[in-house]
Amino acid sequence: GENVEQHPSTLSVQEGDSAVIKCTYSDSASNYFPWYKQELGKRPQLIIDIRSNVGEKKDQRIAVTLNKTAKHFSLHITETQPEDSAVYFCAASMTGGGADGLTFGKGTHLIIQP
Amino acid sequence: SAVISQKPSRDICQRGTSLTIQCQVDSQVTMMFWYRQQPGQSLTLIATANQGSEATYESGFVIDKFPISRPNLTFSTLTVSNMSPEDSSIYLCSFRTGPGELFFGEGSRLTVL
Repeated sequence: GENVEQHPSTLSVQEGDSAVIKCTYSDSASNYFPWYKQELGKRPQLIIDIRSNVGEKKDQRIAVTLNKTAKHFSLHITETQPEDSAVYFCAASMTGGGADGLTFGKGTHLIIQP
Repeated sequence: SAVISQKPSRDICQRGTSLTIQCQVDSQVTMMFWYRQQPGQSLTLIATANQGSEATYESGFVIDKFPISRPNLTFSTLTVSNMSPEDSSIYLCSFRTGPGELFFGEGSRLTVL
């Protein structure tokens, strides 16, 4: 089955700086790569996703890049703000019409220092 | 988007007992997915529940320990059987409406004493 590795486990950045979280996956059949944000005591929420036919996607301060050859994708957050502090999870799946669950990475605890 | 609700939101249970978690979606969905999130850890898929058939369990999870029901397209239950302290976790139900976003319930936080 799919295996998703995520790094780093903890990332501390100064407010206003950029943060980058990286993930690799093992199954070349995977073609859907979402990123979830989980605040303390809350459910995970989707913040951005990318499909294998796209190399990059951006939504305001958040961007995701995908390198299918290397089986690698990354989350980029620019101009970080205190409300960006949370745990971020990458995930992968075959879209398969929604019949597949997601395989998650172990998470990155992002800390924004004031 | 569809609304998904779970109950109980939290419970404290005694070792050896069983607890059933209920998950209700306000629209019909084909697949529902049950995840476990141990304290400070990632989300691990327990099983996939399709209406009208037996759930499909991931490696390391068995039906005797985590029986699942899926009586219709809007409802599912997960039972955690014969609980031990190692079962203390957050259990989340979820669904996908298509080849995209996975929506999560609020989670059920179980503490086993």
